[in-house]
Amino acid sequence: NAGVTQTPKFRILKIGQSMTLQCTQDMNHNYMYWYRQDPGMGLKLIYYSVGAGITDKGEVPNGYNVSRSTTEDFPLRLELAAPSQTSVYFCASGGRAVGSSSYNEQFFGPGTRLTVL
Amino acid sequence: RKEVEQDPGPFNVPEGATVAFNCTYSNSASQSFFWYRQDCRKEPKLLMSVYSSGNEDGRFTAQLNRASQYISLLIRDSKLSDSATYLCVVPPSNTGKLIFGQGTTLQVKP
Repeated sequence: NAGVTQTPKFRILKIGQSMTLQCTQDMNHNYMYWYRQDPGMGLKLIYYSVGAGITDKGEVPNGYNVSRSTTEDFPLRLELAAPSQTSVYFCASGGRAVGSSSYNEQFFGPGTRLTVL
Repeated sequence: RKEVEQDPGPFNVPEGATVAFNCTYSNSASQSFFWYRQDCRKEPKLLMSVYSSGNEDGRFTAQLNRASQYISLLIRDSKLSDSATYLCVVPPSNTGKLIFGQGTTLQVKP
């Protein structure tokens, strides 16, 4: 298993450009997440998905969009890049057993380091 | 009250010391609790799950206090390699919205 993979690893964007951060997991997890982490700060939840076709906003969704057409993929779209979106972006996947109120651990991808100039 | 709160530190301790961190949470219905470790510029990785009876793994012990709504992480005999940021996660019981605490930074000095 490759786990959670993210592409690209690094990217520099100009203000106003758009891009899609790719995230794929091969563990058949139903839950997937996007977080951003600014230097010296904690993880902030951008969007999450509890299954294919279902997405919901996290703490800081403005300026981003997501889709979840398959269990494996959860791309994050930046439409009009702004300097405030300079950050490290982590994708994660995890799950919850059917009928259980307990969560399984999350597995994280290696991150995408994005700079907007 | 924030959903998950941690003291950011940093906690500066000498090698061999015992150090403990707490993480408070607001959702009393939460059933799952986790501690993650994050090294500088790397992705977080699971350190321990926290069970109602507590959990011990070598030098690491995690405890849950439901009455006061906090989880704790105790590290005994600190090593230089324990220097990292420790994140807690307390998932809510009915949604998939996982919020991390801001993390507690530990620096172990020689």
